[in-house]
Order: sequence, then C-alpha cells, then structure tokens
Amino acid sequence: DQQVKQNSPSLSVQEGRISILNCDYTNSMFDYFLWYKKYPAEGPTFLISISSIKDKNEDGRFTVFLNKSAKHLSLHIVPSQPGDSAVYFCAASGSYGGSQGNLIFGKGTKLSVKP
Amino acid sequence: GAGVSQSPSNKVTEKGKDVELRCDPISGHTALYWYRQSLGQGLEFLIYFQGNSAPDKSGLPSDRFSAERTGGSVSTLTIQRTQQEDSAVYLCASSSIPGLSTEAFFGQGTRLTVV
Repeated sequence: DQQVKQNSPSLSVQEGRISILNCDYTNSMFDYFLWYKKYPAEGPTFLISISSIKDKNEDGRFTVFLNKSAKHLSLHIVPSQPGDSAVYFCAASGSYGGSQGNLIFGKGTKLSVKP
Repeated sequence: GAGVSQSPSNKVTEKGKDVELRCDPISGHTALYWYRQSLGQGLEFLIYFQGNSAPDKSGLPSDRFSAERTGGSVSTLTIQRTQQEDSAVYLCASSSIPGLSTEAFFGQGTRLTVV
C-alpha cells in the first residue's frame, strides 16, 4: 500500500511557464515533507522541504504548498527552465511506530521543460 | 570527499551469486537509508538505520536481503543468491538528525545487473 503517491508519471511544460507537481499521502503521522530532484545516472538531490506546522515554504523559484486536511502537497516551479527537466520525488517522514525519521518516497514525476 | 560514497558504482553478477554493496555515509550522520530503483520505477525503501536503535527492515523484499551497519558508520547491503529481478540501482543516503529535519543526502548509487 503506497503511503506517498505521485499520480502523474510525467509532466511537460513550456519554458517560462509554471510547473506544478503534485503529491498525496495517506499516513496522518507524517510531519515532514521533502522534494528531491534526480537526473539520470545521479543520486537524488534535496530541493525543498516543509514542516507540517507550515502551509507554504518558498526558496527562489521553488515553492512547496501543504494542505494537511487534504493530505496533499505540491511543488511549484516558476518560471520553469530547461535545466529543471528531471524526475521529481516527493518524500515524507514522521514519528510513527518504531520508525522515527524514516523517509518514504513516491514513484516520481518526470518533468520535461521545453525551450 | 564529504558526500555519501557508494561502491562499486557498477556490478554485474551471475544469477545465484552473492553480492555486497557498500555505503560510506557522511561523517557524523546518525541515520542511514538504503533504497533501490528498478527500471522505470520509483525509490523503493529497503532498510533504515538510526543510531543504536534496531533497524527498520520492513522494506527488505525477501530473506535473501540483509544489511548491517558497523560502528554506526559504514553499511553493507548483502544480497544472497541473486535473481534477475534484483537488477536495479541501489541507493544509499544518510542524514544528521532525523525527526524535525530529515534532509537526506544520497550517494551516486550502485547499478546492479544480474545476468
């Protein structure tokens, strides 16, 4: 049973426009959410995170929004650039069971930004 | 280097052989994670070590998989009697203080091919 879901396997956006990547989760015990970016043949790299006590976190062109009641978060990239083309993974963690701090990832969304 | 180091970067093995994959986390990081990414799939959680706590092994796909972390630092993931479906990129990550901030840093991965 997937606890973190990214329902769109791919997304294509024109350069300069906004990219919106979505993520849903099922476990209400998650209290920290992260986005990672992965290029081919490289390990994922951390992009931005948000604590459950906030509903928005912004870092340059990247903003993450959290809707706890809907168990939904999204990553906005504006303006999108061709170099943003990568696979984006949503991840969640929390204190539950005996696995405090464990990171659970979604399946990823492949973003293509076209010039 | 200061990052997470994994070795080997590539491993080709014959079906039925045992393999060992190594991860050197960032010095001082108490948490260490193993994930794998099969072709076209997301990041599948395998095992999580946090300090001196018992590891979370809930992601290991079968009893052919095991991992240990010696002295709270280097970790080895062992796959016994490898099968073709074990072919994947195995990723290791480490983080400093899970809980409030669980940004994990990933290595480049080990690409395992079972022939």
